[in-house]
Amino acid sequence: DIQMTQSPSSLSASVGDRVTITCRASQSISTYLNWYQQKPGKAPKLLIYAASSLQSGVPSRFSGSGSGTDFTLTISSLQPEDFATYYCQQSYTAQFTFGPGTKVDI
Amino acid sequence: EEQLVESGGALVQPGGSLRLTCAAAGFIISDHYMDWVRQAPGKGLEWVGRSRNKFKGYTTEYVASVKGRFTISRDDSKNSLYLQMDSLKSEDTAVYYCARVYGGKGNAFDIWGQGTMVTVSS
Repeated sequence: DIQMTQSPSSLSASVGDRVTITCRASQSISTYLNWYQQKPGKAPKLLIYAASSLQSGVPSRFSGSGSGTDFTLTISSLQPEDFATYYCQQSYTAQFTFGPGTKVDI
Repeated sequence: EEQLVESGGALVQPGGSLRLTCAAAGFIISDHYMDWVRQAPGKGLEWVGRSRNKFKGYTTEYVASVKGRFTISRDDSKNSLYLQMDSLKSEDTAVYYCARVYGGKGNAFDIWGQGTMVTVSS
């Protein structure tokens, strides 16, 4: 199985900050890497697919990059509605796996 | 509007069984791979299993921890996906989500249901 790690596990930031979250795969997954945002009590929401493609309706302050084993999610200017937990997920193998999540709070 | 709605979550005793339903609206599930994902209280997301589309013969995959106990099936006439859970354990306690796999988007989960809670406890 492919293991996914994320760093940091949590971070504190302010509105307007630039935030970067890193995700690493235990083996190469090409660009089969997706990012989700989850708020308490809600289902996850797709933000970025295929490492760098912005899902329709997602604000352009979200961006993704990377390939192979190392990936990054960047929020260029943190907004109040962005405080949430973010998960990466590999879709390279038949058995998908998620990272442990990064909680972004104030 | 494309959406998924789960139902069937409940409190069940260890060793018991439960069937979850995921009803789709706004799209035809037979065209898509459909997955189940769960989230234990206060924990992260865990992929549970998949039902491939009609073009792939509706074949299934499961995470090792549920293989042999959980079964995913579909009823195309009802545009619904099911998760039959047998021999339930306390560690199966979680919110269960169904999600659509979108092949054109790197196999990402582009649509999620709202989730249904399964509690396994005596």
